Amino acid sequence: DTAVSQTPKYLVTQMGNDKSIKCEQNLGHDTMYWYKQDSKKFLKIMFSYNNKELIINETVPNRFSPKSPDKAHLNLHINSLELGDSAVYFCASSQGSGALYEQYFGPGTRLTVT
Amino acid sequence: QQQVKQSPQSLIVQKGGISIINCAYENTAFDYFPWYQQFPGKGPALLIAIRPDVSEKKEGRFTISFNKSAKQFSLHIMDSQPGDSATYFCAAASGGNEKLTFGTGTRLTIIP
Repeated sequence: DTAVSQTPKYLVTQMGNDKSIKCEQNLGHDTMYWYKQDSKKFLKIMFSYNNKELIINETVPNRFSPKSPDKAHLNLHINSLELGDSAVYFCASSQGSGALYEQYFGPGTRLTVT
Repeated sequence: QQQVKQSPQSLIVQKGGISIINCAYENTAFDYFPWYQQFPGKGPALLIAIRPDVSEKKEGRFTISFNKSAKQFSLHIMDSQPGDSATYFCAAASGGNEKLTFGTGTRLTIIP
């Protein structure tokens, strides 16, 4: 019974393409996040949403656009993909808004841009 | 600017030994310090966390030691087991902030 799921698990695409990653959580949480983990394993937050409202928008190129159709879903759309976008992207969720709440991570989506 | 510095980058410990990972922070507003464990191919998962009102927190074989004056905290894994082999991330946040700031990770390998 998966708590936070992401699709696809692997994504290989060429520079300039547009792609989306989907995330769903069945924990009934109010807050969802997108993180990027680079090749050196450094984990950095990109966005967070609380009840479909954007809370955190870190310094991310505006080629990245999150969309939250409902509380249980947070998708990430990336336009005009670049080589530097290659990374593992993690979706996470927490019961409430704020860093004190435990964050539950999905299994990750490995994006490779060629 | 790296606000949470983590060391070592990698660590090899014999089974049964003690694994120690250290983190240092700069922002004195930080008041929540979790540790996350990540196995290969998986997302990070919360392992243990501490608030600065205590100097130590223990859960099973895992202990966080916290030194507020030095702005340092560390994870100790007692009786390390091969199943503990993973990447460990320290993190920090201030209570009123939405954001966790992660350290750079430590790849821990426990050898038999």
